[in-house]
Amino acid sequence: EAEVAQSPRYKITEKSQAVAFWCDPISGHATLYWYRQILGQGPELLVQFQDESVVDDSQLPKDRFSAERLKGVDSTLKIQPAELGDSAMYLCASSLGLANEQFFGPGTRLTVL
Amino acid sequence: KQEVTQIPAALSVPEGENLVLNCSFTDSAIYNLQWFRQDPGKGLTSLLLIQSSQREQTSGRLNASLDKSSGRSTLYIAASQPGDSATYLCAVPDAGGTSYGKLTFGQGTILTVHP
Repeated sequence: EAEVAQSPRYKITEKSQAVAFWCDPISGHATLYWYRQILGQGPELLVQFQDESVVDDSQLPKDRFSAERLKGVDSTLKIQPAELGDSAMYLCASSLGLANEQFFGPGTRLTVL
Repeated sequence: KQEVTQIPAALSVPEGENLVLNCSFTDSAIYNLQWFRQDPGKGLTSLLLIQSSQREQTSGRLNASLDKSSGRSTLYIAASQPGDSATYLCAVPDAGGTSYGKLTFGQGTILTVHP
């Protein structure tokens, strides 16, 4: 069964360092989402891509976060510099299109010390 | 702005009980609603997607209902098992504007089923 892949699964870093997360969506899925989930809360959208274009990045802290999906397939989310408050689960999801069911990857658990 | 609320926040039941999880949303202009399961430290597993034109959707021991006009959905779990212990999240997508498709989640219901 096709799945969304993410790496790494866990990342521990010190504040002010740079970190990067990778996501490979289900093959053929045009829409890709990055969500952030703080412990005990529901996920919140950071950025949404349709193919290689950003559809919504209104909740992305652009002074330190960047995201790209250069060829409209896999995607990278970067944080530079990391802050203590960035500790969270970073979830990637994909769907066939904007109105379709979303499928989530296993997530990357980030701890910033 | 869409807001999603889930009640109860936590639920502990003995094995074998039937149970209901509740989800409410403030903006009824939705085209579907998804229920997810999340095990500790893991990603989200999609359980059921119910379209706005449907009133119910079933998968095995799970049944989701949707009353779009009143902004409510319920997830019914029959004959609960210890393996059902997890956090259950409901989510609705934005239906317009630049955030079309973005899911707004509730905070989840933590379910514990004890033997």
